[in-house]
Amino acid sequence: SQQGEEDPQALSIQEGENATMNCSYKTSINNLQWYRQNSGRGLVHLILIRSNEREKHSGRLRVTLDTSKKSSSLLITASRAADTASYFCATEQLGGSYIPTFGRGTSLIVHP
Amino acid sequence: EAQVTQNPRYLITVTGKKLTVTCSQNMNHEYMSWYRQDPGLGLRQIYYSMNVEATDKGDVPEGYKVSRKEKRNFPLILESPSPNQTSLYFCASSLTSGGYYEQYFGPGTRLTVT
Repeated sequence: SQQGEEDPQALSIQEGENATMNCSYKTSINNLQWYRQNSGRGLVHLILIRSNEREKHSGRLRVTLDTSKKSSSLLITASRAADTASYFCATEQLGGSYIPTFGRGTSLIVHP
Repeated sequence: EAQVTQNPRYLITVTGKKLTVTCSQNMNHEYMSWYRQDPGLGLRQIYYSMNVEATDKGDVPEGYKVSRKEKRNFPLILESPSPNQTSLYFCASSLTSGGYYEQYFGPGTRLTVT
C-alpha cells in the first residue's frame, strides 16, 4: 500500500525557530493528515488537508499541499521545547481502500 | 473522557506462548485498527475492522489474529509469538473508515518476545 515519506528523517533546531518537514507520496490522494507522536506514546492528530485545498492553518501549524508535486509540508512556527516529537503524515489514496497509511516520520528536537 | 485503552501496556513473554492484547474505545467508533511500530519502519497496519464482524488484513497480518464481536472491543491475538513480533503496538479508532476522519490512538503496548 502507498506510504507517505517524510523528509528530513531528523531535524534539530533551537527554540523560537521555525521547523519545516515534508511529506511526499506516489499516487493521487483524497486527503492527507499530519500526526504528532511524543516518545513512545500514541499518535495525536494535528491537521487534515483535503486534496482540493492548498493551505491550512491551526495555531502555530501551517500545512500546504501541492498535488502536482505530490507533496505536503508542515511548518511549525516559533517552535517550543514541547514541540519535540516525531511527526507523521498519513495519506488516503484516491479510489483506494479509504484507509490512511503512515510514513516513517520526522523526528524533531527543539533545544531550549 | 473519549479514549482508546490498551492492555497490557508492557508485556514480556516467551516464544510460542499465546497472548492477547486488548483494545477498547468508548466513542462508538465503527473503524478500528492495529499497527505495529518498529524503528526505521514507521507504522505498519496489521489488521483493521470496518465494523462488528468485519475485519480485514493490513500490510503485515502474518502471525496475528483479530476479532470484532462488539463495537467497542478489538483484541489482537498472537497465537504463537516469535521474537520478530517484538514491537510497539498501537490500537486506533475513528468514526468510520476514510481519511477524512482522524484516528484516535491508544497509549501503546510494548511487547518483547524472548
